[in-house]
Order: sequence, then C-alpha cells, then structure tokens
Amino acid sequence: QPLLTQSSSASASLGSSVKLTCTLSSGHSDYIIAWHQQQPGKAPRYLMKLEHSGSYNKGSGIPDRFSGSSSGADRYLTISNLQSEDGADYYCETWDSDTRVFGGGTKVTVL
Amino acid sequence: QVHLTQSGAEVKKPGASVKVSCKVSGYSLSDSSMHWVRQAPGKGLQWMGGFDPLDGETFYAPKFQGRVTMTEDTSTDTAYMELSSLKSEDTAVYYCATGGGAYFTPLDSWGQGTLVTVSS
Repeated sequence: QPLLTQSSSASASLGSSVKLTCTLSSGHSDYIIAWHQQQPGKAPRYLMKLEHSGSYNKGSGIPDRFSGSSSGADRYLTISNLQSEDGADYYCETWDSDTRVFGGGTKVTVL
Repeated sequence: QVHLTQSGAEVKKPGASVKVSCKVSGYSLSDSSMHWVRQAPGKGLQWMGGFDPLDGETFYAPKFQGRVTMTEDTSTDTAYMELSSLKSEDTAVYYCATGGGAYFTPLDSWGQGTLVTVSS
C-alpha cells in the first residue's frame, strides 16, 4: 500500500509564501493525492486534488492563493500571500484498491 | 452541496461499544462512498474504513478489522460506525467523510466530528 511522508512543521511570514511537500512511497509515484487543511479545533477541509502531471482541481470556495504542483513522487501545496487564518495543519491523502492513507501532517505557523 | 451532520459526544467505559451516526443531506447516501476517519488527541488523521458503492463492499483498515462495523440506513440517509471493545487508546474525534459517488476519489466533504472519550 502507498505511504505518504510530510515534514512536521513549516513557518513563513505574513504575506509571504510557503511550499509544503508530500512524498509518495517507492512504487507509487504516479498516484493522485488530495490536500486538506485543518484549522485548530475544526474538522478537516478539502483543498484540492493533485495529479502526477501537476494538474489540480480545487474544492469549492478555496482561494486562489492555494495552488498545487508535482515532481516525480513529490506533491506540493503552495500557499501564497500567507494570511493569519492559514496557520493550520495540512494533510495529504491518497488511496488504493482497498485502503486509504494520510500523511502525518505539516503544521504551518504564520509569523 | 453535501452536508454531513454527526451525533453528539460520547463517554464510554473500557470494553463497551459506541455507535456514531452521520446524517447526509444534499446528496443520496445510497449513491455515496462513505468513509470514517479518526483523530486521537494531538495526533494525525487515521482512516478506519469506507464503502465502495460500485460493488457494495465495505473495506476496513487492518488495525480495526473485527472491532468496527460500518452500516447505512438509506431510508434516512444516515451512516453509522460502531466500534466495540473500547480501550482508552480509542479516545478520539471520529469523522465521517465522503467523496461523492465513487470510492477512488478524495474525501471532499467532512462531518463536524464526534468526540468519543473512553474512561473508567
């Protein structure tokens, strides 16, 4: 089954950009993933679906500041013009024939 | 737009069972692939299982196999997740989530979560 690896934390200044990475395990580099945001005390919120090609489709109401890209087994989430409300945990997700997995999550701190 | 509304918080003793409900609106549950995900305090998201509407099969994560049962009442558009033989380590927020009508899609709609506390 696929595994997803994420850095535990990232930080950037208000108004700047931050790029988060989710790495697929060996043999699964062409998998589609999804990104989710979880603000403190809230349920996860779907951000986008991201393909191996780098093509992505965002969920309803997701600001233009959020974008996705891909390189090999790496899937990226870039947040531009960072806002205070972007301080949250970000999880990647993927799925296989009979399972679904999440990365360990990256905590983003807005300085 | 799909909206998922879950039942309220529960407190259970070790060894007991808990059943959490998830009411679907804006979409028909019979056409949905419903999943359950839990999150222990301060920890990440953990998939428990999900339903594939194409073949009518429910898949459970190995960690929960034998202890979890996911069911649906399509007459009321309500999904249920029952976890038995509860341990203190099962203390967590439990979420229902769906990606719509297909199994192999992202979970794009989430319930608000149900806190289950297991304590003697």
